[in-house]
Amino acid sequence: SQQGEEDPQALSIQEGENATMNCSYKTSINNLQWYRQNSGRGLVHLILIRSNEREKHSGRLRVTLDTSKKSSSLLITASRAADTASYFCATDGGGGFKTIFGAGTRLFVKA
Amino acid sequence: SQTIHQWPATLVQPVGSPLSLECTVEGTSNPNLYWYRQAAGRGLQLLFYSVGIGQISSEVPQNLSASRPQDRQFILSSKKLLLSDSGFYLCAWRSLGAKNIQYFGAGTRLSVL
Repeated sequence: SQQGEEDPQALSIQEGENATMNCSYKTSINNLQWYRQNSGRGLVHLILIRSNEREKHSGRLRVTLDTSKKSSSLLITASRAADTASYFCATDGGGGFKTIFGAGTRLFVKA
Repeated sequence: SQTIHQWPATLVQPVGSPLSLECTVEGTSNPNLYWYRQAAGRGLQLLFYSVGIGQISSEVPQNLSASRPQDRQFILSSKKLLLSDSGFYLCAWRSLGAKNIQYFGAGTRLSVL
């Protein structure tokens, strides 16, 4: 099955709340990334966490990585309506030319 | 800075017609280039990738082909489109080096009728 599976598939929250999305993967990795996609647009890279890192912050984003469980989470704090988008985790599969994307979590933030 | 151009943004084609989608990258040399297809509300399916001029790797056997005639140009083609070729097509590039961050074009919405 596909490397990188997000959970939940969809999430609806109120503006100001925190949003947490989870990702699981199957093989060893060098790093894991999170991307955002606005409806009908290309993906935009948000943050990369290396396999030897456990947590990383970027603005309102917080990413954790647990390589023993082969899982990662993306936390968006104090969400805004503009955060409404699909969020994808992606892994390098341990190296090589391919980046493997999950199916994504669709986040809807209600104003 | 690097930019990626993908066109057209939308395309409506009849079944059996040919297809040519073009993607160009500026501001970088010898990028890895990728074509993905995305079904509505789903993840990305890798179709082709290229690590150099004339070098194409196909991930999924199907009605499509890809070519890389120049270092920063990547073309997705079909001789005869099928209804199942409808979808959102994304081109992406990735620089060489330790990180494998991909940078995406704006996408092409293809409707085959």
